[in-house]
Amino acid sequence: ELKVEQNPLFLSMQEGKNYTIYCNYSTTSDRLYWYRQDPGKSLESLFVLLSNGAVKQEGRLMASLDTKARLSTLHITAAVHDLSATYFCAVDIQGGSEKLVFGKGTKLTVNP
Amino acid sequence: EPEVTQTPSHQVTQMGQEVILRCVPISNHLYFYWYRQILGQKVEFLVSFYNNEISEKSEIFDDQFSVERPDGSNFTLKIRSTKLEDSAMYFCASIRDRNPTYQETQYFGPGTRLLVL
Repeated sequence: ELKVEQNPLFLSMQEGKNYTIYCNYSTTSDRLYWYRQDPGKSLESLFVLLSNGAVKQEGRLMASLDTKARLSTLHITAAVHDLSATYFCAVDIQGGSEKLVFGKGTKLTVNP
Repeated sequence: EPEVTQTPSHQVTQMGQEVILRCVPISNHLYFYWYRQILGQKVEFLVSFYNNEISEKSEIFDDQFSVERPDGSNFTLKIRSTKLEDSAMYFCASIRDRNPTYQETQYFGPGTRLLVL
């Protein structure tokens, strides 16, 4: 059974600081997603990572994928309050987006 | 920008009652999904649907659950006899193409919050 582990589960940081969220998964996969969820809201797609070594950046967020280590990272640069949300990684083990297996999420709080 | 829509946004029901959750996927999408999220927990896959039939379902998706695409636009999830533990946020999602080389992502609807009393 595929397991997707995120850490940390809770992250409180100050504005302007950098931090990394980690996502480990237990089965071979070439496709990994990062989603953002605001309280009571739906899931917003942030990144799709398709291959080993893939790196994508959008604003203050940068995601990478190492399929050999079965690890993805979401790096936050110079955090701002608007980034406060829960971030989920999700793994597609069947290469065709049949179903996504989600991590437990990382609740990020950025304090002024 | 096209989006997945879901109705109702909230539903309160009594245990044992039937509920139908409705979704309108993005119009040119071909693959449809239901997920649920119990409050404060992770998102869990329920079922995927393509070409008018179920492609895959999870252990959660037992005989009490069914899905249907009654017309060209709606995609529904029915729970025949609700239980307390069915209380959750239910998300519909859709994707245009599942080709592994495409930069496609599943687009999620806003969710239906179901409360079973």
